[in-house]
Amino acid sequence: EIVLTQSPATLSLSPGERATLSCRASQSVSSYLAWYQQKPGQAPRLLIYDASNRATGIPARFSGSGSGTDFTLTISSLEPEDFAVYYCQQRSNWPPAYTFGQGTKLEIK
Amino acid sequence: EVQLVESGGGLVKPGGSLRLSCAASGFTFSSYSMNWVRQAPGKGLEWVSSISSSSSYIYYADSVKGRFTISRDNAKNSLYLQMNSLRAEDTAVYYCAGVDSSGYYSVWGQGTLVTVSS
Repeated sequence: EIVLTQSPATLSLSPGERATLSCRASQSVSSYLAWYQQKPGQAPRLLIYDASNRATGIPARFSGSGSGTDFTLTISSLEPEDFAVYYCQQRSNWPPAYTFGQGTKLEIK
Repeated sequence: EVQLVESGGGLVKPGGSLRLSCAASGFTFSSYSMNWVRQAPGKGLEWVSSISSSSSYIYYADSVKGRFTISRDNAKNSLYLQMNSLRAEDTAVYYCAGVDSSGYYSVWGQGTLVTVSS
C-alpha cells in the first residue's frame, strides 16, 4: 500500500506570500498525483492533476511539480480565499486505490 | 449545472445498516467512474469504494470490504452505497465523487453525515 506523507502539517503565512506544500510517496507513483483544496464545511475541489496540470477554472497562481516520490504544490501569491486544507492524492491501477495524504492546513499568520 | 447530491445519512446503531444514494445531474453520468470518499469528524479524506462506468470493475478499501456494497443505475443517474455491520469508526461525512477524463475526482457532492452510535 502506498502511503502519502504531507508536510508541513500546518503552514502559517500572510496574504501575498508564496506557499510551498510537500507530498512524499512511500514508493513511486510516477506522475499520478493530484492536489485538492478543502474549505470548512465544503467538499474538496480538484486543483492539480497528474502532478502539474491545472484543473478547469483553477487560477494560474496554483502550480504543481514533481514525479516519482516527491511532489510540490506552490501558490505563488496567497489570496485570502486560499487559506484552507490541502490534500494530495495518488491513483494506482493495481492494487486499485485512491490514497490521500493526511493534509496540510494553510492558515493566516 | 454539474451536480451530485447525496442522501440517506443519519444515526444508526452499531451493527446496523444504511443505504446512501447519490443523484447526478448536468453531466453524462454513465461515462464517469464513481467513488465514495469519507471524512471522519476533524480528520482527513479516505477513499472507500470505486465503480467503473459500466459497473464492470468494483473496488473497496480494506476497511469496508465485505461490509459495504457499491452499485449504480445509469438509467437513473444514481450511485448507491449499501453499508452493513456498521461500526463506530464508520462515522463520517460520506461524499460521492466522479472521475472524469483527468482520472481524478473532478465532481463532488456536498456530503451526507453517517453517525454510528448506541
